[in-house]
Amino acid sequence: EVQLLESGGGLVQPGGSLRLSCAASGFTFNSYAMSWVRQAPGKGLEWVSTISGSGSNTYYGDSVKGHFTISRDNSNNTLYLQMNSLRVEDTAVYYCASQRALYYFDYWGRGTLVTVSS
Amino acid sequence: IVMTQSPATLSVSPGERATISCRATQSLSTFLAWYQQKPGQAPRLLIYDTSTRATGVPARFTGSASGTDFTLTISSLQSEDFAIYYCQRYDNWPLVYTFGQGTKLEIK
Repeated sequence: EVQLLESGGGLVQPGGSLRLSCAASGFTFNSYAMSWVRQAPGKGLEWVSTISGSGSNTYYGDSVKGHFTISRDNSNNTLYLQMNSLRVEDTAVYYCASQRALYYFDYWGRGTLVTVSS
Repeated sequence: IVMTQSPATLSVSPGERATISCRATQSLSTFLAWYQQKPGQAPRLLIYDTSTRATGVPARFTGSASGTDFTLTISSLQSEDFAIYYCQRYDNWPLVYTFGQGTKLEIK
């Protein structure tokens, strides 16, 4: 059974940093691309970032380019999202998602809430 | 390319059929997916590659396309189907994923 468990969310002041983690199990982690997708309170889904199975290719949405960094540790089946220079508009539930194929997100974690507020 | 999902809210009685649309401003490939999200839960993949049902998705969920118009049809609505539905497209150059605005399917 595929399981994705996010952690690391919390309350942070504007301009602060936070690192999210996603522990994966139940599939061959290094064979799957992985992504972060976020959802602001009461709003729709927004793609944040994607990393290839090997970790050699990374992609970012325009709203986070330059201040978020995605990475992965295939030896520990863990995905990360380093978030710097956080803004109020980064407040959202952050989901990690697995991608058997690049076209869609097949499994999702339960999400972790990031709140950016002074 | 912009994806426009409609309607924003759809009221349907149990047992009836629901149809949700997603329209692209430009022609795109078949790389369109649909997700279901219930309150307090993560999204769940329903349909990928326009019309392929994900593992465990009931046959009453059908995806189709005509040109730049993509449709999710749920025949004979069950109580567990009332949720928010999102379409999602994929572009590979540059790599970008875009979600529709969402459709809230509510009980009439």
